[in-house]
Amino acid sequence: GAVVSQHPSRVICKSGTSVKIECRSLDFQATTMFWYRQFPKQSLMLMATSNEGSKATYEQGVEKDKFLINHASLTLSTLTVTSAHPEDSSFYICSARNRGNYGYTFGSGTRLTVV
Amino acid sequence: AQSVSQHNHHVILSEAASLELGCNYSYGGTVNLFWYVQYPGQHLQLLLKYFSGDPLVKGIKGFEAEFIKSKFSFNLRKPSVQWSDTAEYFCAVNKKDTDKLIFGTGTRLQVFP
Repeated sequence: GAVVSQHPSRVICKSGTSVKIECRSLDFQATTMFWYRQFPKQSLMLMATSNEGSKATYEQGVEKDKFLINHASLTLSTLTVTSAHPEDSSFYICSARNRGNYGYTFGSGTRLTVV
Repeated sequence: AQSVSQHNHHVILSEAASLELGCNYSYGGTVNLFWYVQYPGQHLQLLLKYFSGDPLVKGIKGFEAEFIKSKFSFNLRKPSVQWSDTAEYFCAVNKKDTDKLIFGTGTRLQVFP
């Protein structure tokens, strides 16, 4: 079945540094990927839609300059949290749309802790 | 605002009890509907989905859901829950004219032996 690999699974960084999270579709091409943020015991909030070869589309309230998204190929999207602060600590999850079955496949998530 | 609502935030059941989790959405037009489960410490897994056809959809692990278009609802059901069903359950909706998948607030299910 469709698999999405997300890396790293956990990362701890110092305040003010940047962190890059990768999301790869392993056995299918994903023209569209999505980035979500999940706070403890809360739902997934859509942050942005990542489109291969074009700029990402951000949801209202999400800072484009803080959460940089690059979708350079049909199998890879990256989310870079720039100048991270403790309030950016969260669980970040990527998802890819599988046009073969119209489904969505999710990565295993990245636990970001900013100290 | 367009949204996905799950009215049950926390449900506690004993094993063998029946389960029904509510999901309502406010989008107009044609939608695709999903239920996902997130076990503690694990990533999201698809339980079932509805795209078209029979509004009663059967998924994995004995779960089913019924799409009632007039009520904008897609409730999840299971006749007899097990302790292993303890997890967080999310309803999600995709409008067919976009790729976005929007999640409900989630329902935490605890099943006691």
